Amino acid sequence: RKEVEQDPGPFNVPEGATVAFNCTYSNSASQSFFWYRQDCRKEPKLLMSVYSSGNEDGRFTAQLNRASQYISLLIRDSKLSDSATYLCVVNIKSGYSTLTFGKGTMLLVSP
Amino acid sequence: DAGVIQSPRHEVTEMGQEVTLRCKPISGHDYLFWYRQTMMRGLELLIYFNNNVPIDDSGMPEDRFSAKMPNASFSTLKIQPSEPRDSAVYFCASSEGGGMLDTQYFGPGTRLTVL
Repeated sequence: RKEVEQDPGPFNVPEGATVAFNCTYSNSASQSFFWYRQDCRKEPKLLMSVYSSGNEDGRFTAQLNRASQYISLLIRDSKLSDSATYLCVVNIKSGYSTLTFGKGTMLLVSP
Repeated sequence: DAGVIQSPRHEVTEMGQEVTLRCKPISGHDYLFWYRQTMMRGLELLIYFNNNVPIDDSGMPEDRFSAKMPNASFSTLKIQPSEPRDSAVYFCASSEGGGMLDTQYFGPGTRLTVL
């Protein structure tokens, strides 16, 4: 089983739509969780951290379900500029910043 | 403030040649990471340094790969000899601390093609 698994997509949605991505991780000892965004031919950039209680940043909401070992990202009111690949990232090793990346989910927002 | 700087941005070389990738982390960041990204395997951690000392190199694929960090502002990743399967985008990232919530900032990457 892969350590971090994501549906590669692409998810094709119209502007204004709500879209959700899920990600599962295999190591129950995982300590911290993130969503990164990667534009085509660019570097990954941190979108948001994922906290146990769930957190929201504008149109973006992240949730963590430790019991089921999955993380979700919800994007409301999609914009054309949201088109990118979204990487689910897990810190598996306790105490050190060693991140394990999923392969990403591609989102395409159309006019 | 400048972000992570990598050079070259693109490298095309022939199999068997030595390749050296360079990285300048963000000033004041104590951790530096080298990643490789391919379509097949996604983004993989190769090695990381803390205060210029290699901490974990378990992701380095084989002896053909080596990394150094001679000072706080410079690191290199060397492949010798290079092979076509080394073709990938190589990212360098840095973070201020090594805590679980410390953000890693990525450079623009070096796109390596080995013919």
